[in-house]
Amino acid sequence: AQSVTQLDSHVSVSEGTPVLLRCNYSSSYSPSLFWYVQHPNKGLQLLLKYTSAATLVKGINGFEAEFKKSETSFHLTKPSAHMSDAAEYFCVVSPFSGGYNKLIFGAGTRLAVHP
Amino acid sequence: GAVVSQHPSWVICKSGTSVKIECRSLDFQATTMFWYRQFPKQSLMLMATSNEGSKATYEQGVEKDKFLINHASLTLSTLTVTSAHPEDSSFYICSAQVANTEAFFGQGTRLTVV
Repeated sequence: AQSVTQLDSHVSVSEGTPVLLRCNYSSSYSPSLFWYVQHPNKGLQLLLKYTSAATLVKGINGFEAEFKKSETSFHLTKPSAHMSDAAEYFCVVSPFSGGYNKLIFGAGTRLAVHP
Repeated sequence: GAVVSQHPSWVICKSGTSVKIECRSLDFQATTMFWYRQFPKQSLMLMATSNEGSKATYEQGVEKDKFLINHASLTLSTLTVTSAHPEDSSFYICSAQVANTEAFFGQGTRLTVV
């Protein structure tokens, strides 16, 4: 069975400081992993995806994530937070490599950015 | 990126009535659409997968007679919440994709049943 655990429900950072949102996954297959961002009452936007190519994945808005198979982790990072980064972030796993079917969502991490 | 539009963005209805939510892919043809439900401050739970021209596949625990899904064309899927009750109040989000490519999400529909 596939699952994903986001280790922090809330993260608070100051503007200009680094962001780290943690995610661990469980998958019986070689998974596809994604990070999505959701602003209040809005749909989801894809930040980045890992589909068995390079383990360090660069996404939009300066975000990146590193797939570490040995640690079953896919943490999201950004060197310098911006006020506009405040949102809900979801780590997502799909059991099929390269696939988007049957996305399984983590519980989400709410990122707050303070001036 | 591709655009998926949901309508309405929010709806309030009386208990016992039915509500229809539309999900449209505006600039591409979606072979598959997904419907999710999101409770306040919680994650998205997949409700069902629909492929154009065939019956939807519902996830375990989702009542197919309660949540009717129709995917009549490659650009439109509808979710009808029948005989809605307050416990059906939630945020419903659809996504659409072509084959095995990126899934694009709608902006969501907030349903409140009073």
